[in-house]
Amino acid sequence: KQEVTQIPAALSVPEGENLVLNCSFTDSAIYNLQWFRQDPGKGLTSLLLIQSSQREQTSGRLNASLDKSSGRSTLYIAASQPGDSATYLCAVRDDKIIFGKGTRLHILP
Amino acid sequence: DAGVTQSPTHLIKTRGQQVTLRCSPISGHKSVSWYQQVLGQGPQFIFQYYEKEERGRGNFPDRFSARQFPNYSSELNVNALLLGDSALYLCASSPGQRLYEQYFGPGTRLTVT
Repeated sequence: KQEVTQIPAALSVPEGENLVLNCSFTDSAIYNLQWFRQDPGKGLTSLLLIQSSQREQTSGRLNASLDKSSGRSTLYIAASQPGDSATYLCAVRDDKIIFGKGTRLHILP
Repeated sequence: DAGVTQSPTHLIKTRGQQVTLRCSPISGHKSVSWYQQVLGQGPQFIFQYYEKEERGRGNFPDRFSARQFPNYSSELNVNALLLGDSALYLCASSPGQRLYEQYFGPGTRLTVT
């Protein structure tokens, strides 16, 4: 049974710092992995999609990596800003889509 | 282009009642998926429909059902509501089944009293 874990559950960092969010999964037989952002009480905004054959994807200040063999993905956020404060979720796709519980990120002005 | 839309935005029901939630995918998208998100948790997969057929089902009781219409919009029905069904219900659309990015709607907040 696929399980997705995100560490840490919550993180507070000063504005301007670079940071890394972690996602691990137990079954490496996935089609892809997707990172999302969720603001309180809102829907999910897609950030990056990494296919199983890819190693990383980049969009602006965001970089996501995927290591299928070790069952890990990281989301790197460069030069963090207060507007980055949100919950970040990763989801892996095999026959279903399995989400982690998310990392609540707070950027301190 | 319009994104994924869901209706209603908020809903309050009492235990034992039935509820229908609606979702319109992005134009051209043929796959719709439904998720339940309880406060403080990640979304839990309920159903996926593609080309009007059920293509995946999560670990939810038979009280939950869904369908997809010829225009690819979808409805999620929940019968005999329980207090534990209170959650944010999210709909996502994508062009195809497995390999595509999912785009989420704003969700429907269901409160069961």
